[in-house]
Amino acid sequence: QSVLTQPPSVSGAPGQRVTISCTGNSSNIGAGYDVHWYQHLPGTAPKLLIYRNNNRPSGVPDRFFGSKSGTSASLAITGLQAEDEADYYCQSYDRSLSAWVFGGGTKLTVL
Amino acid sequence: QIQLVQSGAEVRKPGASVKVSCKASGYTFTASYIHWVRQAPGQGHEWMGWIDPNSGGAIYGEKFQGRVTMTRDTSSSTAYMEVSSLRSDDTAVYYCAREPQGGSFYSDYWGQGTLVTVSS
Repeated sequence: QSVLTQPPSVSGAPGQRVTISCTGNSSNIGAGYDVHWYQHLPGTAPKLLIYRNNNRPSGVPDRFFGSKSGTSASLAITGLQAEDEADYYCQSYDRSLSAWVFGGGTKLTVL
Repeated sequence: QIQLVQSGAEVRKPGASVKVSCKASGYTFTASYIHWVRQAPGQGHEWMGWIDPNSGGAIYGEKFQGRVTMTRDTSSSTAYMEVSSLRSDDTAVYYCAREPQGGSFYSDYWGQGTLVTVSS
């Protein structure tokens, strides 16, 4: 049972927009800790996609957008491409657990 | 370019130990913390702890205290993570990941993962 809650799967057609939610509580996201997002293809190294809620590392297309409000955060992907098909994970810090915490992951399928 | 390269897959029997390595390159090894995260089959990611390569000091997640040891060798820019008294539920892919600056609370580079299988 992951501390942060994500939908198990989302899907969209090429060119469409999808969003992935990440819900926490008052000990993590709601306590003001930043949310970060990773893209992960099985068998490869996870890739940082969004850091500190809404910042993109160099090389990440601006089709990826992060936001945070209250105890939740969201990752939006616009102009879906076949190469976006992957698992997406949110991550934050939990002060009660004194630990980094992750969402269970969301599998994005591009139809 | 920054890279974290991990050691290969391991198979162990219950009760044994395993030590995974993570060789860093492309940056000053002692300038960034190294975290360890694992993902069991069909499960989410689980944070295990981190080590400060500069001091060698480590912080472990509560679940892993007493059974996990994180060390480093600054001469080879390599971090190590050892799990003892292995159980079947330790079967997972283990990742090392770099925290760019202390207090960043995220990782900007990850290793490719090391599959550890615990089976009798």
